[in-house]
Amino acid sequence: KQEVTQIPAALSVPEGENLVLNCSFTDSAIYNLQWFRQDPGKGLTSLLLIQSSQREQTSGRLNASLDKSSGRSTLYIAASQPGDSATYLCAVIKNNAGNMLTFGGGTRLMVKP
Amino acid sequence: GAVVSQHPSWVICKSGTSVKIECRSLDFQATTMFWYRQFPKQSLMLMATSNEGSKATYEQGVEKDKFLINHASLTLSTLTVTSAHPEDSSFYICSAGFGAGDETQYFGPGTRLLVL
Repeated sequence: KQEVTQIPAALSVPEGENLVLNCSFTDSAIYNLQWFRQDPGKGLTSLLLIQSSQREQTSGRLNASLDKSSGRSTLYIAASQPGDSATYLCAVIKNNAGNMLTFGGGTRLMVKP
Repeated sequence: GAVVSQHPSWVICKSGTSVKIECRSLDFQATTMFWYRQFPKQSLMLMATSNEGSKATYEQGVEKDKFLINHASLTLSTLTVTSAHPEDSSFYICSAGFGAGDETQYFGPGTRLLVL
C-alpha cells in the first residue's frame, strides 16, 4: 500500500526565507507526483505536476524535484511571502491504478511579515 | 477516523446517459465538500464547492447544468454527470472537511468514469 509522508507538518518562517518542503512515498512505482496548495476553506489549487520520467518542474518561485528511486520529492519556495501561507499537499498516482491519488498529510506553512 | 468514501469506484456508461457519483463522510459531518476532476496526464482541477443545504459554487468553465451537485446532508454529496459524453470520461474525486475552523480536507479514493 502506498504511503505518502510530508515533513514538516507545520512550518513558520519570516518573510523572505527560502523554504524546502519534503514529501516521501513508499512505493516508487508512481505515474506522477503533484504538489497542491490549499487555502483555508478552499479546495485544492494545483501547483506543479511532475511525470515519473521527469526530475523537476518549475513555476515562478516554485521548484519541485522528484527522485523516484528514493521515493522523495521536494518543493522549494524561493523568497517566501505572507501570501504563500497555506497548506501544501503532495500526492502520487500509482501506476495502473486508475489514477487513484494518495495524498500526504500536508505541510501547514505560515510566512510572517 | 475522518474517512471519505466514493461510490462507485469505476463506472462505464453509454453516451447520453446520466451517472451519479456519491461522496460520503463516513465518521464525521462535513459542512463543505469539494469535487475535482482529473484528465489523464493532467493535474487535479477543482470543479465545485458543495455546501450542505445550499447551492454549490462552480468554478469558471464548469457547466452547472451538466454537473449537478447536491449536498442534502452533512455526510453525503452527489455529483451527477448528465447526458454524459466521451469527453466527460475522467477521474472524479471528492474531499470533505469538518469546517468550523478545522481546514483539514479528507479525500475520497476517486471515481473513474468511462463514457463509451
